[in-house]
Amino acid sequence: GAVVSQHPSWVICKSGTSVKIECRSLDFQATTMFWYRQFPKQSLMLMATSNEGSKATYEQGVEKDKFLINHASLTLSTLTVTSAHPEDSSFYICSADYSGTGAETQYFGPGTRLLVL
Amino acid sequence: GENVEQHPSTLSVQEGDSAVIKCTYSDSASNYFPWYKQELGKRPQLIIDIRSNVGEKKDQRIAVTLNKTAKHFSLHITETQPEDSAVYFCAAGSQAGTALIFGKGTTLSVSS
Repeated sequence: GAVVSQHPSWVICKSGTSVKIECRSLDFQATTMFWYRQFPKQSLMLMATSNEGSKATYEQGVEKDKFLINHASLTLSTLTVTSAHPEDSSFYICSADYSGTGAETQYFGPGTRLLVL
Repeated sequence: GENVEQHPSTLSVQEGDSAVIKCTYSDSASNYFPWYKQELGKRPQLIIDIRSNVGEKKDQRIAVTLNKTAKHFSLHITETQPEDSAVYFCAAGSQAGTALIFGKGTTLSVSS
């Protein structure tokens, strides 16, 4: 149980284009999902908290108009990187809050590696 | 907000030795402390976690200790093996629906 999937796993795009990344909880419902960004050899940096049916909460310094988050169902959250630039190249990972046993444990998706040329 | 400090940033041990990674946190409201293992290019995998009502938890070769008074918690790996080589992250959280705050990670290298 507690499986989180992410799609796509790899994206290469041209500068100025938009990229959508999907995060799905496969065998549980996730009221809350989280989006992280990880640069090489660095820790996971929280970008935003995604709540089903409401607006996402963004961390300081994260542009909400650039990183659009939608959490339309209890099993799906999407992150859209709009007008991507080379500096947006990174490893994007989502996690879902698994409260099935009251454990409030977070399980991570496999990540999406974005390369903007 | 919460701040999590993790030490050391790198740790090299010989196979069979023990490895200890330490973390401190700042928010006394934090009550959930998971440890994740991340292999290169892969997702972080939860390896063990502890809650504030427990001082120690063990799972085979892995153990975690928590000192709430001092606001620090540690990961102990005994009888290390080469496959334990990875980056380990500690994290702190306070309640369901709120994000975990991660330490900067420790790169563990186990040589045979």
